[in-house]
Amino acid sequence: KAGVTQTPRYLIKTRGQQVTLSCSPISGHRSVSWYQQTPGQGLQFLFEYFSETQRNKGNFPGRFSGRQFSNSRSEMNVSTLELGDSALYLCASSFLNRGSTEAFFGQGTRLTVV
Amino acid sequence: AQTVTQSQPEMSVQEAETVTLSCTYDTSESDYYLFWYKQPPSRQMILVIRQEAYKQQNATENRFSVNFQKAAKSFSLKISDSQLGDAAMYFCAYRSVRNSGNTPLVFGKGTRLSVIA
Repeated sequence: KAGVTQTPRYLIKTRGQQVTLSCSPISGHRSVSWYQQTPGQGLQFLFEYFSETQRNKGNFPGRFSGRQFSNSRSEMNVSTLELGDSALYLCASSFLNRGSTEAFFGQGTRLTVV
Repeated sequence: AQTVTQSQPEMSVQEAETVTLSCTYDTSESDYYLFWYKQPPSRQMILVIRQEAYKQQNATENRFSVNFQKAAKSFSLKISDSQLGDAAMYFCAYRSVRNSGNTPLVFGKGTRLSVIA
């Protein structure tokens, strides 16, 4: 069974540009969550989608957005990139929409903003 | 809001020895889940062990076990017979229980574990 796949693995963008990251969950998983990981702030929750609906959103500016498609694949978009957006972006998928369900993580997308 | 604190930024252990990683959390909830995740250099977060707050028995997974002290809001991870492959960042995480809908994982800042051969 294929794991969570995130593409691309690495990305370099210029300030002011926008970027789209993709996450393909494990087959059958309907919940997808996104986290930002930085050395200073650690792991912070961005948002969570379940069956194409955003169920939870973290404390990030509106420049950060996401969506989920009918096949459960998810994308997140960051517009007007800032240097501080440089981070590892991790996607996690879960089978059920309940707290005890194990979250399976992808290997992340390393975004560098220059 | 819930918070998770890992007070040891770095730890080291000799191969085959035992090491304990500390984690404390703050919550007003009575029902929740606690997790330990491992992040090796490959960056992929891997679930090590999970504890349900309403279960008094400490969770165990092979060489990994936890000491869950609910009243003290403490959740430490013990790694026995440490192996070189255990070297990684370890994150403690908290998740609320809700009747419907996932709640986000709240992570600590992590502990970097080195294993010395």
